[in-house]
Amino acid sequence: SQTIHQWPATLVQPVGSPLSLECTVEGTSNPNLYWYRQAAGRGLQLLFYSVGIGQISSEVPQNLSASRPQDRQFILSSKKLLLSDSGFYLCAWIRGSTEAFFGQGTRLTVV
Amino acid sequence: GDSVTQMEGPVTLSEEAFLTINCTYTATGYPSLFWYVQYPGEGLQLLLKATKADDKGSNKGFEATYRKETTSFHLEKGSVQVSDSAVYFCALISRGTQGGSEKLVFGKGTKLTVNP
Repeated sequence: SQTIHQWPATLVQPVGSPLSLECTVEGTSNPNLYWYRQAAGRGLQLLFYSVGIGQISSEVPQNLSASRPQDRQFILSSKKLLLSDSGFYLCAWIRGSTEAFFGQGTRLTVV
Repeated sequence: GDSVTQMEGPVTLSEEAFLTINCTYTATGYPSLFWYVQYPGEGLQLLLKATKADDKGSNKGFEATYRKETTSFHLEKGSVQVSDSAVYFCALISRGTQGGSEKLVFGKGTKLTVNP
């Protein structure tokens, strides 16, 4: 079956610390993968998307980066977290143009 | 670029009231349209979808019809319940300028509170 895993579910990190969120997909190959962020009280903003290994497109300038080291793995990173990086991060896989699947999300609090 | 505009709310209704959340979109070609729901403290769940003009998506008493002529996908429910309290997101999947680079574009979300 096709599933998408994202971890961790919650994370509390101090300002200035690094970040690594991982997303993996099962049951498919060469998926289109996406990272979204939802800041408190706001909508879902597309951060990065990837159509293949090593291919990353950034939608907005920010303190974050993304990598696609393997076909079914998508990683969101930061070298030094800011308070403004707090939010709900969601990994998504879009299949064709009619279906989207989501990870469980990661609630990040930077303190 | 492609975009989704939905009423931002918040919307507060009494139980059994009629619900409408407006959603309009701008897109090249013919996107697929979606409504997602996010219950407090949880992730996103697909509520319903429509993939072509005049399609009606429905689930749990909610309905939305893909209106190409008005580029709209309004969400409706005839009688809301307290358990429907959540944030509702309208979204579309557009096809990018390069093959395979579809994007899922969300509206800003509408918070619905249903009081008993």
